[in-house]
Amino acid sequence: GAVVSQHPSRVICKSGTSVKIECRSLDFQATTMFWYRQFPKQSLMLMATSNEGSKATYEQGVEKDKFLINHASLTLSTLTVTSAHPEDSSFYICSASPDWGKFFGPGTRLTVL
Amino acid sequence: QKEVEQDPGPLSVPEGAIVSLNCTYSNSAFQYFMWYRQYSRKGPELLMYTYSSGNKEDGRFTAQVDKSSKYISLFIRDSQPSDSATYLCAMGGGAQKLVFGQGTRLTINP
Repeated sequence: GAVVSQHPSRVICKSGTSVKIECRSLDFQATTMFWYRQFPKQSLMLMATSNEGSKATYEQGVEKDKFLINHASLTLSTLTVTSAHPEDSSFYICSASPDWGKFFGPGTRLTVL
Repeated sequence: QKEVEQDPGPLSVPEGAIVSLNCTYSNSAFQYFMWYRQYSRKGPELLMYTYSSGNKEDGRFTAQVDKSSKYISLFIRDSQPSDSATYLCAMGGGAQKLVFGQGTRLTINP
């Protein structure tokens, strides 16, 4: 299947700092990528749809000013968690696909102290 | 009512048993159905992907979709300890967004 990578795999930061997470499609171009958040022992919750060359579409309840998404190229989307707080600690996963967004990255574990 | 319902388990079975995992859904607009396997602290891995009602087989895995009943299943034959993971059903329609079930934690005991 298609390969999606994420970087970093794990990040620990202090409260109030900003953290950038990258999602790359390695062997295909993706006009659309998806960002999810997963808390322990819970399912994936869609945060936003990242569209190449245009603004992201956020799900209800997700603060667009806190979770900045940039999809500057057909192979890269970034999620920036601004002014992170301990409650933002979670597992962030992106997905992309040539068609239906089926393939997931390995995830980024964010811990905010 | 959630759009997708999945029993979170946990489910524990002996090695070699046949495992049956299920999801129900309420949105008749869903057109495609997927099963993912997720190991702890890893991203989900796509196992099966189907469009239509019926069965699809891939090795020890069989995915079954019954659109009339809004019910999907994943069967694992000859289960192995390495199959121990959380299994997530997911489904979507024309908007490309996926809706996930809660995930079922499965343990295969040697």
